[in-house]
Amino acid sequence: GENVEQHPSTLSVQEGDSAVIKCTYSDSASNYFPWYKQELGKGPQLIIDIRSNVGEKKDQRIAVTLNKTAKHFSLHITETQPEDSAVYFCAVYSNYQLIWGAGTKLIIKP
Amino acid sequence: DTGVSQDPRHKITKRGQNVTFRCDPISEHNRLYWYRQTLGQGPEFLTYFQNEAQLEKSRLLSDRFSAERPKGSFSTLEIQRTEQGDSAMYLCASSESSYEQYFGPGTRLTVT
Repeated sequence: GENVEQHPSTLSVQEGDSAVIKCTYSDSASNYFPWYKQELGKGPQLIIDIRSNVGEKKDQRIAVTLNKTAKHFSLHITETQPEDSAVYFCAVYSNYQLIWGAGTKLIIKP
Repeated sequence: DTGVSQDPRHKITKRGQNVTFRCDPISEHNRLYWYRQTLGQGPEFLTYFQNEAQLEKSRLLSDRFSAERPKGSFSTLEIQRTEQGDSAMYLCASSESSYEQYFGPGTRLTVT
């Protein structure tokens, strides 16, 4: 079955700098790759997603890139702000379900 | 706000008791999912409904777990004879298409 690995587990960046989180997956047939943001005590919030027929997608300060050949995709956050502090999860859609990475705790230092 | 809602938000129960959680999906969404999340981990898939039909169940869903979605609207997840290992956040998500899943706030279960 599908396996998703996410790195790093913790990322600390200075406010205003960029943050990059990377995920790899194993099933080359997978074709939908969402990113979720989860704040303490809340459910995951879909922030951006990409399908396999697209290499990059951008939404304001957030972008996702996909390399299908290498089977990896990345989340890029530019001009980080304190409200970006949260746990970020990548996921891969496989057989009706989402298979999730282990999460990255993003810390924004003032 | 017409997002996914879950009730209760928190539940503390003694080992061996039964508990039931409710999920109300976004109104036009015909797909509903249950996931379980333990501390420091990503969510794990439990089960999936399309309308009222339960189409997929994870091996994580032992015979103590049962889920229903009568009339294809809200869903309930029941855990019988709770064990301490059942302590987790139970998340519900709904979807209109095959892909984008929108999550509720979750129900945090603590089994003492």
